[in-house]
Amino acid sequence: NAGVTQTPKFQVLKTGQSMTLQCAQDMNHEYMSWYRQDPGMGLRLIHYSVGAGITDQGEVPNGYNVSRSTTEDFPLRLLSAAPSQTSVYFCASSYTGTGVSGANVLTFGAGSRLTVL
Amino acid sequence: DAKTTQPPSMDCAEGRAANLPCNHSTISGNEYVYWYRQIHSQGPQYIIHGLKNNETNEMASLIITEDRKSSTLILPHATLRDTAVYYCIVRSLNYGGSQGNLIFGKGTKLSVKP
Repeated sequence: NAGVTQTPKFQVLKTGQSMTLQCAQDMNHEYMSWYRQDPGMGLRLIHYSVGAGITDQGEVPNGYNVSRSTTEDFPLRLLSAAPSQTSVYFCASSYTGTGVSGANVLTFGAGSRLTVL
Repeated sequence: DAKTTQPPSMDCAEGRAANLPCNHSTISGNEYVYWYRQIHSQGPQYIIHGLKNNETNEMASLIITEDRKSSTLILPHATLRDTAVYYCIVRSLNYGGSQGNLIFGKGTKLSVKP
């Protein structure tokens, strides 16, 4: 049981390049999300998904794309990287049980550190 | 979701109890209190949550005041590995599938010293 796996752990891009951060979970969680964390700041929600085929925007979605074709995977795409996207990215998942307090218990990945030059 | 207020930093001696306060004076009746922590550069880790009763698990205890306007996370015997940023989050369950959209503030940086 690996939990939430993020790849790559580190990546350096040049401005304008595109890339995909991968996130996979093996807990059969319906809910998955992506956060970014900048120095001295809390985590900010980028996009989230409540199930396969369903995605929605979070607080800071601009410049990022997501899709959810399977329950297990939730990739985050940067179509044209900008220096402002230099950050640490965290993927998280949980099960969704309306009215169940454990549905807010997120399992996080180890993070992907992205630098855009 | 109710806003939470936490001290920016705290120190604790190794082996002593660490008591981390959180104020959530506008909490409503259906909102739970969740605690997470983030050890340097790692992903946040869930610790404990509760509605109105005190809760305990293998990591910590959560004490919620009777009026639910504040809570305290207790690490009974802090170790150096407990040095981390601790986040107090208030969240209801009434968001359908999106209740996992937690809002992380700046938290409390706990430094456990030998």
